[in-house]
Amino acid sequence: EVQLVESGGGLVQPGGSLRLSCAASGLTFSSYAMSWVRQAPGVGLEWVSVITGGGGSTNYADSVKGRFTISRDNSKNTLYLQMNSLRAEDTAVYFCAKVAKLENRYYYYMDVWGKGTTVTVSS
Amino acid sequence: EIVMTQSPDTLSVSPGERATLSCRASQSVSSNLAWYQQKPGQAPRLLIYGASTRATGIPARFSGSGSGTEFTLTISSLQSEDFAVYYCQQYNDWPLTFGGGTKVEIK
Repeated sequence: EVQLVESGGGLVQPGGSLRLSCAASGLTFSSYAMSWVRQAPGVGLEWVSVITGGGGSTNYADSVKGRFTISRDNSKNTLYLQMNSLRAEDTAVYFCAKVAKLENRYYYYMDVWGKGTTVTVSS
Repeated sequence: EIVMTQSPDTLSVSPGERATLSCRASQSVSSNLAWYQQKPGQAPRLLIYGASTRATGIPARFSGSGSGTEFTLTISSLQSEDFAVYYCQQYNDWPLTFGGGTKVEIK
């Protein structure tokens, strides 16, 4: 069974930084693209970023481009999200999710999700 | 950016009744459309991908249809565990975008 466990959330001041982690198990981690999706309090889902299995290609939502960096360590089966210059509007639950792969091709919907980690940006 | 619009915002349905949820894309997404279910305090769960293919373990009472810009999620006979918020998501183009969600509540 594939499991994703996020960590690293917390309270941070505006302008501060935080690094989220997502530990994956039950899959050949390096074979799958991974994504971060967030959900602000009482609001819907917002895609944040994605990274391919080998880490060679990434993509970001405009709202975080230039401030957030997605990366992965396939030797540790771990996905990361480095968040800099944090703003109040970055306050959300951040979910790590596995991107679907069929017949060796990525389809960018998310078929397995972690439970999420909460980030609060406030002074 | 492709804007996904879901309707209605809230759907009040009695257990055993049929629920029909709509999702509209601002431009064609072909069949690159997924549906998710989210219960309070939980992560989203994949229900449907490719507009109409049920994910592993999803009951047959959930069905998806549509292509291009108009999509529908139908729950044929609502069970107590189906009361939740449902989101559509397009994966035809970047950035990936979600609809605002439809809350299915008990009537």
